[in-house]
Amino acid sequence: NAGVTQTPKFQVLKTGQSMTLQCAQDMNHEYMSWYRQDPGMGLRLIHYSVGAGITDQGEVPNGYNVSRSTTEDFPLRLLSAAPSQTSVYFCASSRVQGARNTIYFGEGSWLTVV
Amino acid sequence: AQKITQTQPGMFVQEKEAVTLDCTYDTSDQSYGLFWYKQPSSGEMIFLIYQGSYDEQNATEGRYSLNFQKARKSANLVISASQLGDSAMYFCSGSSASKIIFGSGTRLSIRP
Repeated sequence: NAGVTQTPKFQVLKTGQSMTLQCAQDMNHEYMSWYRQDPGMGLRLIHYSVGAGITDQGEVPNGYNVSRSTTEDFPLRLLSAAPSQTSVYFCASSRVQGARNTIYFGEGSWLTVV
Repeated sequence: AQKITQTQPGMFVQEKEAVTLDCTYDTSDQSYGLFWYKQPSSGEMIFLIYQGSYDEQNATEGRYSLNFQKARKSANLVISASQLGDSAMYFCSGSSASKIIFGSGTRLSIRP
């Protein structure tokens, strides 16, 4: 069972570089989302999607872009990396967005911007 | 805007005692769910328990139970007979018609 797969697991970027964090799920989930977790803090919602072709902003969207061309994939793009984006990033998916659905998490991507 | 409030940044509990972690969901939606997750030092998110806003009974899963107060939109997590392995961060999450958000977490430390 692959579940939610995130790549890369670790990445070091220089300020100003761009990169894409990949997220894929094989459970045919409609709802996918990206969170960032800063040291000692909770998860903050960056962007989310309720289905292919539909995305929306979360609590901290600035500096990030997403797209959802397929049900399976939900990549997160950092346009011009900044040290403030140093964080652990979690991708998550759920069967449909709504009250009764358990969220499945990827293992996290540790990103350092120097 | 929706918000999950966890008022206890950290707690220390003696092994084998029960502990209650607080969570309140600020949302205008009447249909919603409240989840609890455990995050050990290894970093993965582990689902513990779920409470739906229309559920008649308080949720229970083994040593975990929820004290759900619908009028306050709160679902406090009760861990009975705490164990050393319960030491971790605990996050409450709220899910409703628009998005899934998390609280800032409670760091629980179990003393032997």
